[in-house]
Amino acid sequence: DAGVIQSPRHEVTEMGQEVTLRCKPISGHDYLFWYRQTMMRGLELLIYFNNNVPIDDSGMPEDRFSAKMPNASFSTLKIQPSEPRDSAVYFCASSFSRKNEKLFFGSGTQLSVL
Amino acid sequence: GESVGLHLPTLSVQEGDSAVIKCTYSDSASNYFPWYKQELGKGPQLIIDIRSNMDKRQGQRVTVLLNKTVKHLSLQIAATQPGDSAVYFCARSVGYSTLTFGKGTMLLVSP
Repeated sequence: DAGVIQSPRHEVTEMGQEVTLRCKPISGHDYLFWYRQTMMRGLELLIYFNNNVPIDDSGMPEDRFSAKMPNASFSTLKIQPSEPRDSAVYFCASSFSRKNEKLFFGSGTQLSVL
Repeated sequence: GESVGLHLPTLSVQEGDSAVIKCTYSDSASNYFPWYKQELGKGPQLIIDIRSNMDKRQGQRVTVLLNKTVKHLSLQIAATQPGDSAVYFCARSVGYSTLTFGKGTMLLVSP
């Protein structure tokens, strides 16, 4: 397995633009997580899915953020409109059977909003 | 509020030496503690974990100690190599809750 695959690796956009981050979890994993990493706040859980269903989105900063998981092999995190304070590294992770154990992370998307 | 704290943000060691990274936590109900390693440009990777029914767990060159009395965790890396240079995160969960990550400690191993 290639692991968790995220795209793009880097995204530079202007304030107000829509940004879509993509994630392919490890095949067979039933949990999918979106994290945001900044120097100030560290790794923050934004939302997680179980069997493609969003379970907890309490970490989503505001309505500008949305996430979907239309099937077991694909998820998106969308920011619309983007703001400079959204600049961060966004990680997708997946796990099998447990939402706290053996998380496998992708390489992340470095987002810069100018 | 609940948190996972760190004692040292950066730790520098010479290759071959041992490195000890420490964490504290505040919620006594925490029962699962993984450690993740994050290399530059990559996502975090699980290296070892420990449950609250254990005091010590050993892996390959890594040992984690858990002191529930004072709510301290430590990760010891023996015979460090330049490839051990990374940011190390402790994390914790209560029951089967999602993980709360600490801010991370950067380990620098000099040749």
